[in-house]
Amino acid sequence: AQSVSQHNHHVILSEAASLELGCNYSYGGTVNLFWYVQYPGQHLQLLLKYFSGDPLVKGIKGFEAEFIKSKFSFNLRKPSVQWSDTAEYFCAQRSSYKLIFGSGTRLLVRP
Amino acid sequence: SAVISQKPSRDICQRGTSLTIQCQVDSQVTMMFWYRQQPGQSLTLIATANQGSEATYESGFVIDKFPISRPNLTFSTLTVSNMSPEDSSIYLCSVEDLRGAGREAQYFGPGTRLLVL
Repeated sequence: AQSVSQHNHHVILSEAASLELGCNYSYGGTVNLFWYVQYPGQHLQLLLKYFSGDPLVKGIKGFEAEFIKSKFSFNLRKPSVQWSDTAEYFCAQRSSYKLIFGSGTRLLVRP
Repeated sequence: SAVISQKPSRDICQRGTSLTIQCQVDSQVTMMFWYRQQPGQSLTLIATANQGSEATYESGFVIDKFPISRPNLTFSTLTVSNMSPEDSSIYLCSVEDLRGAGREAQYFGPGTRLLVL
């Protein structure tokens, strides 16, 4: 069965620090990958998506992710985090019609 | 992206009772899904709501426990039947429209936070 792994369960950073959240997916043919964010008290929102083409994907709010096929990875990055980036981040892979989610990473950004 | 609303936003229920959750989309969409997010855990797909036919359930989920309706392309309901405390979760509706030229993503509703006592 396909699976998605997020190895960092909790991350604490100071404002202006750089962020990289790890995501590894299992091989399953065509690769469609997503990062979602859930801010406190809000619903799940799409940050970015990868279907094909340029492996460096830019999303909203300054986030980007790089698809590295040889490493089965789709890590999320942001060069300088803000307090407002405090949230839970989920990596997901499409498997046929459904999304397989990772366990999530809780990011706390300290002012 | 579509605007998705869910009702109720939260509820507290007694064990043995049932709760029906509604999902309304502001535009017609091809696919509608129901996910569960148990406390401290990630999202798990319960079923795909199919218009005009029975829902497609994932392993571990059955129609008797989670009956689903989808009468049209903008609305679906999920019922959590004969509830127990283990059913305490956030239940989320998501949608995807496959009719566009490009590949799409799933968009999620605000969720229904359910507590079963």
